[in-house]
Amino acid sequence: GAVVSQHPSWVICKSGTSVKIECRSLDFQATTMFWYRQFPKQSLMLMATSNEGSKATYEQGVEKDKFLINHASLTLSTLTVTSAHPEDSSFYICSARGHLHEAFFGQGTRLTVV
Amino acid sequence: EDQVTQSPEALRLQEGESSSLNCSYTVSGLRGLFWYRQDPGKGPEFLFTLYSAGEEKEKERLKATLTKKESFLHITAPKPEDSATYLCAVNYGGSQGNLIFGKGTKLSVKP
Repeated sequence: GAVVSQHPSWVICKSGTSVKIECRSLDFQATTMFWYRQFPKQSLMLMATSNEGSKATYEQGVEKDKFLINHASLTLSTLTVTSAHPEDSSFYICSARGHLHEAFFGQGTRLTVV
Repeated sequence: EDQVTQSPEALRLQEGESSSLNCSYTVSGLRGLFWYRQDPGKGPEFLFTLYSAGEEKEKERLKATLTKKESFLHITAPKPEDSATYLCAVNYGGSQGNLIFGKGTKLSVKP
């Protein structure tokens, strides 16, 4: 299957700082990228959907000013958690979809805000 | 409301004991049903895509089937390394091709 690389795999940051997570499709062009959040023992919750070159579409209840998404190219999307707080601690996962219907996932990023 | 329901929530099997996981859905305009495997602390790993009722796909000890209302993931003679959470997701044809995920079935295979 296609490869999606997510970086970093884990990060610890201080409350009030910002953290950027990168998601790259390594062997295909991703027309659409999705960002999810997953709490322990819960399923994936879609946060936002982004298409290359356009603004992201956020799900209801997700603060667009807090979770900044940039999809500048067909192979890269970034999620920046701004002014992070302990309640933002979670497992964040990106997925990328090319011209086929399958969506391939990154390895996930464990964010801990202290 | 579009929904995806997986059962059971957890399944414990002995090595070699075959079983099935269920994913039922109530979305309209299905544009694909996906099965993923997720290991702890990792992102989901793509397994199968099914598009139409009657379709079947196999990979090693796994076989996925699809009807108009549900999908089954059959595990034949499982091994301990098959232990993981299996996620089912449905593409309901939204403008962005969003997936609706079930909550998953946590499979544990004991040697």
